[in-house]
Amino acid sequence: QKEVEQDPGPLSVPEGAIVSLNCTYSNSAFQYFMWYRQYSRKGPELLMYTYSSGNKEDGRFTAQVDKSSKYISLFIRDSQPSDSATYLCAMRGGTSYGKLTFGQGTILTVHP
Amino acid sequence: NAGVTQTPKFQVLKTGQSMTLQCAQDMNHNSMYWYRQDPGMGLRLIYYSASEGTTDKGEVPNGYNVSRLNKREFSLRLESAAPSQTSVYFCASSEWTDYYEQYFGPGTRLTVT
Repeated sequence: QKEVEQDPGPLSVPEGAIVSLNCTYSNSAFQYFMWYRQYSRKGPELLMYTYSSGNKEDGRFTAQVDKSSKYISLFIRDSQPSDSATYLCAMRGGTSYGKLTFGQGTILTVHP
Repeated sequence: NAGVTQTPKFQVLKTGQSMTLQCAQDMNHNSMYWYRQDPGMGLRLIYYSASEGTTDKGEVPNGYNVSRLNKREFSLRLESAAPSQTSVYFCASSEWTDYYEQYFGPGTRLTVT
């Protein structure tokens, strides 16, 4: 079983929809949680990050972490065609320095 | 700033051939990483270098070697390529902060026939 599980989709939604992307994990040592966005044929780039449990909002994006359930989510409000990309969750423990464990990535398409 | 650069962008090898993938960063980051990305598998860490002069194995190191040439450059070598090493390879760098935000290069698409 992988340490981090993410539904690869693909997910296709109409413009303006609310999108929910999720990951589950098994390693209780994970403390730092991140979402990376990857456009086609590009390298990933950091979108959002959170520490421990709670919510964090940045514009149309909200990241949630529920450590008790070992579950993290990324919500995208008022989705736009420019949000079409692969979204990867990533996480690390407090002593793992830069070593991140990534989910498989979810392919999202927002159609006009 | 160019960020993280990788060469080559594309490569086709025959089984048994060797090659070195080059990576350089101009952000003065301490840590550098090599990942491979395969469909449905996400990013898997091959090797990383926490700082100049150190390297450590990641999740999938077999068949690869690395060299941290200096603070800027981190190369990945395939000594005897196998079809299972067909993949997209990403180099990344980060600084020592809480989130170790990783900055990725554009990737190298490698096909081994």
